[in-house]
Order: sequence, then structure tokens, then C-alpha cells
Amino acid sequence: ETGVTQSPTHLIKTRGQQVTLRCSSQSGHNTVSWYQQALGQGPQFIFQYYREEENGRGNFPPRFSGLQFPNYSSELNVNALELDDSALYLCASSLGGTSGGYEQYFGPGTRLTVT
Amino acid sequence: ELKVEQNPLFLSMQEGKNYTIYCNYSTTSDRLYWYRQDPGKSLESLFVLLSNGAVKQEGRLMASLDTKARLSTLHITAAVHDLSATYFCAVNYGGSQGNLIFGKGTKLSVKP
Repeated sequence: ETGVTQSPTHLIKTRGQQVTLRCSSQSGHNTVSWYQQALGQGPQFIFQYYREEENGRGNFPPRFSGLQFPNYSSELNVNALELDDSALYLCASSLGGTSGGYEQYFGPGTRLTVT
Repeated sequence: ELKVEQNPLFLSMQEGKNYTIYCNYSTTSDRLYWYRQDPGKSLESLFVLLSNGAVKQEGRLMASLDTKARLSTLHITAAVHDLSATYFCAVNYGGSQGNLIFGKGTKLSVKP
């Protein structure tokens, strides 16, 4: 059973650029949630995808967008990067639906630095 | 809006001592999570608490949940240096596969 993986590990971008982060969910999981963790803070929910559809969104602007693919992997896209977007981005994989469990398994994260 | 508050935010302990971290949340939720995070690392799941009165223990850590008081505690017994990390509680919000609302974390430092 493979765990949650994320790529890249680290990324440096310039303000105004666009970035795509990737997440592969744990085998058998159909739900991916994305979180942003600023330095010294708790993670904040960005959005969740369940079976390729957005299934909830936190208080983030539209320049944060996402996708989920048929294999349940997911992308987080951020346009027009701002300095405050510098953070650790975590994805969490879980099994949603009526047979779903309670655990959300977190990937290792992508550290994004915006200069 | 669901809010999750942890205290203390910083905790310096001596090895061998006991201490408790508190997690209060503002509205009803059907589950509460505790995670550990080492510097620069991701979140490691410690406990998932699903019902009022639930108590779970793993090694020197014990977590409990009082849904009526909207309070969870993480008790540390006879702390050791390896427990030094940041501990987060998180509450499920929005249904069966809702999102997690996290507290700000408690940074624990255990000193010899």
C-alpha cells in the first residue's frame, strides 16, 4: 500500500508567477484535501475533491484552484502568486462516501517560497 | 464558524514530568484529531476521537474527549526528549468527509 506523495518537495517562485503542486493519494482513497500551513501556524483548509468534484472550499480566493483526476491524484494551482502564499502545502488523502473511514493521511508537503 | 483553541501554545517541560494540553472548540463536531508535527515535516496522526468520553492511549500520550464541554485533552506522562514536537488538535467540520479545522498548535520542548 503506497502512502500519500507530493511533488515537488521545494519550490521557489517569483511574485506574480503561477505554480502547480501535485498530490498522489493513498491507494484506495478517493478524496483529497489541500491545506496551507504558514510558518508557526496550524494548517488551513483550502479545498477538497471527492471523485473528481470539488466538495468544499475554505476561505481562499479564486486564484487557488484545483483538479482531481480519474486515478484520484490531484493538483493545486495558484495564480498570481503573492508573498503571503509562501507556506507548506499539505495534501491529505481519505476514503469518502458511505463506506468511508475517519482518517486523513497527510503527505510530506511542498514548501513554496515566493520572492 | 468553527474555532479551535489550544493552550498552552508553548510548553517547556522537564523529562519525567506530566502535563496536559487543552483543546477547546466552538461548535458541535463528530470527531476530533490529534496530530504531531516535527520541524519541517508533515503531520503524523496520533489519535482520532469519535464519541463523548472516548479515551485513547499510545505510549506516554493519552487523549480524551468531552463533547458536552467541547474539550479534548492530550496528557503527557513522564515526558521524554523524543516527545519534543508541535502538537495540533483538529476538529472535523462539514459532514462525513468534511474538512479539518486546526488549532494553532502547542510547541512542546522536553529538556533533560
